[in-house]
Amino acid sequence: QVQVVESGGGVVQPGRSLRLSCAASGFTFSTFAMHWVRQSPGKVLEWVAAVSYDGTYKYYADSVKGRFTFSRDNSENSLYLQMNSLRPEDTAVYYCARESGPYYNPGAFDIWGQGTMVTVSS
Amino acid sequence: ELVMTQSPATLSVSPGQRAILSCRASQRISTNVAWYQQKVGQAPRLLIHGAATRATGISARFSGSGSGTEFTLTISSLQSEDFAVYYCQQYNTWPYSFGQGTKLEIK
Repeated sequence: QVQVVESGGGVVQPGRSLRLSCAASGFTFSTFAMHWVRQSPGKVLEWVAAVSYDGTYKYYADSVKGRFTFSRDNSENSLYLQMNSLRPEDTAVYYCARESGPYYNPGAFDIWGQGTMVTVSS
Repeated sequence: ELVMTQSPATLSVSPGQRAILSCRASQRISTNVAWYQQKVGQAPRLLIHGAATRATGISARFSGSGSGTEFTLTISSLQSEDFAVYYCQQYNTWPYSFGQGTKLEIK
């Protein structure tokens, strides 16, 4: 079964850090770019970060650049989002998603996890 | 940054009727557009990619069209399970971006 499963969400104080994980299974993980997308309560989808299939290239939304770091371990079929200096506006459900185009081919997000909730509050 | 603008924000349609949702890109993006459906409490689900290709397992009642800057998602013969929020997304230019969504509600 092709799936991705997020974990690591929780409640954290402003300025603190949190690390999200995403475990992939059922497909050749090392051939697909992966993304994080977030959705604040009652709000729209916001693309957060991307990593190329081999980890060479990483892209970040301006809203998280310099604070979030996206990494992947192809030997473990896993992704990690290290979130530092968290702000209340980072409160959202964070989704891990697979980009359908293999390697460097652009594609839609065809596989999504169920999401993990991050709440930044004092 | 490339902006995707969806219209209308809310669309009220009766079951059995057809719904037409629009998405406009601020720059030309060929056909690198996807449509997603999201129900409350669920992750988005891919419906259409490449502007017009249905994803695996998606009903033929869903169809997409357009290229360049104007895109449309058409849902024919609406069923109760179709009432949800729909997002368009461009994957032509970094950063990838989503529209603000169209809520499809029962009339």
